[in-house]
Amino acid sequence: DVVLTQTPLALSVTPGQPASISCKSTQSLLHRDGKTYLYWYLQKPGQSPQLLIYEVSNRFSGVSDRFSGSGSGTDFTLKISRVEPEDAGVYHCMQSVQLPRSFGQGTKLEIK
Amino acid sequence: EVQLVESGGGLVRPGGSLRLSCAASGFTFKNAWMSWVRQAPGKGLEWVGRIKSETDGGTTYYAAPVKGRFTISRDDSKDTMYLQLNSLRIEDTAVYYCTTIQGDYWGQGTLVTVSS
Repeated sequence: DVVLTQTPLALSVTPGQPASISCKSTQSLLHRDGKTYLYWYLQKPGQSPQLLIYEVSNRFSGVSDRFSGSGSGTDFTLKISRVEPEDAGVYHCMQSVQLPRSFGQGTKLEIK
Repeated sequence: EVQLVESGGGLVRPGGSLRLSCAASGFTFKNAWMSWVRQAPGKGLEWVGRIKSETDGGTTYYAAPVKGRFTISRDDSKDTMYLQLNSLRIEDTAVYYCTTIQGDYWGQGTLVTVSS
């Protein structure tokens, strides 16, 4: 099974400053169809997860361009260019290149 | 507007059963592959399983911790997906979410508590 490891597990950021979260996979997430199936979700306090980024670097509809995803193979990064108070919550990465799908442990972002 | 609404959660004794429902609207449900994801209290997300569309065979796949105990099904005439939970264990206590296959839409979740 594919294991995803997120770092850090928690970070505290001042509004206006950047933030970065890493997600590393035990196997390549590149599918034979040429796509890489790595997703990022944000779960705000008391809410369901919401999709931010699909297939490594594509922002989902309505997602701020302050969010960007990058990476390839087994190493991926979610970056927030300028953190805002509404960005607080837990960020999860997920892979769907192989069954069973799997999530990282989650990274809690606190706004100072 | 896409909506996924879960129901059926509750308190159940270890070894008991429960059936969760996920009512979908705002998209062509019969063409959609769907998933269940759960989240134990204070923990991360755990993928439970998925069901393909009937057009694509309607087949299911389960995570190891639930395989043989949980069953995903769908009724396209009702735009509804189900999760049958049998032989429940304390560690199955979680909020259960239904999602579209890529997680672009999630329901609000329904809480299942397994306790004696």
